[in-house]
Amino acid sequence: GENVEQHPSTLSVQEGDSAVIKCTYSDSASNYFPWYKQELGKGPQLIIDIRSNVGEKKDQRIAVTLNKTAKHFSLHITETQPEDSAVYFCAVRGTGTASKLTFGTGTRLQVTL
Amino acid sequence: NAGVMQNPRHLVRRRGQEARLRCSPMKGHSHVYWYRQLPEEGLKFMVYLQKENIIDESGMPKERFSAEFPKEGPSILRIQQVVRGDSAAYFCASSPQGKGETQYFGPGTRLLVL
Repeated sequence: GENVEQHPSTLSVQEGDSAVIKCTYSDSASNYFPWYKQELGKGPQLIIDIRSNVGEKKDQRIAVTLNKTAKHFSLHITETQPEDSAVYFCAVRGTGTASKLTFGTGTRLQVTL
Repeated sequence: NAGVMQNPRHLVRRRGQEARLRCSPMKGHSHVYWYRQLPEEGLKFMVYLQKENIIDESGMPKERFSAEFPKEGPSILRIQQVVRGDSAAYFCASSPQGKGETQYFGPGTRLLVL
């Protein structure tokens, strides 16, 4: 089955700096790559996603890049703010009959003042 | 426009009891997914259902766990004879259609087995 690795597991940045989180996946047929933000005690919230037919997508301070050849994708957060502090999960969906997502192990982002 | 709703938010059970977790998908969504999250870990897929059908239960333990999504009412994840290892956060997600659609998550049910 699909294997998703996520790095780093923890990340601390100063307010205003950029944060980058990377994920690699194993199934070259995977075609959908969402990123979720999870705050303490809450469910995962979709923040951005990308499909396999594009290499980059941006939404204000958040961007995702995809390298299908290397089978990795990254989340970029610019001008970080304290409210960006949370756990971020990447996920991958394959092309099988089902629609399940395979998640990375998460990155705890801490934005310090 | 309400999002995915789950209840209860917190559930405490003693070993051997039954746990019933409920999920109401977003309005207009007919596909439901259940995931389990152990402390400090990512989410693991359990089961994918459409109304009255189980599409994929490859992540569901073979024993004690079952899921349904009836024609009327919420989806139910049922855990019989709970053990301490069942303690986790259980999340439900929904989408308007299955394959190819974004999944939106509920707030989760935190199950604690004493």
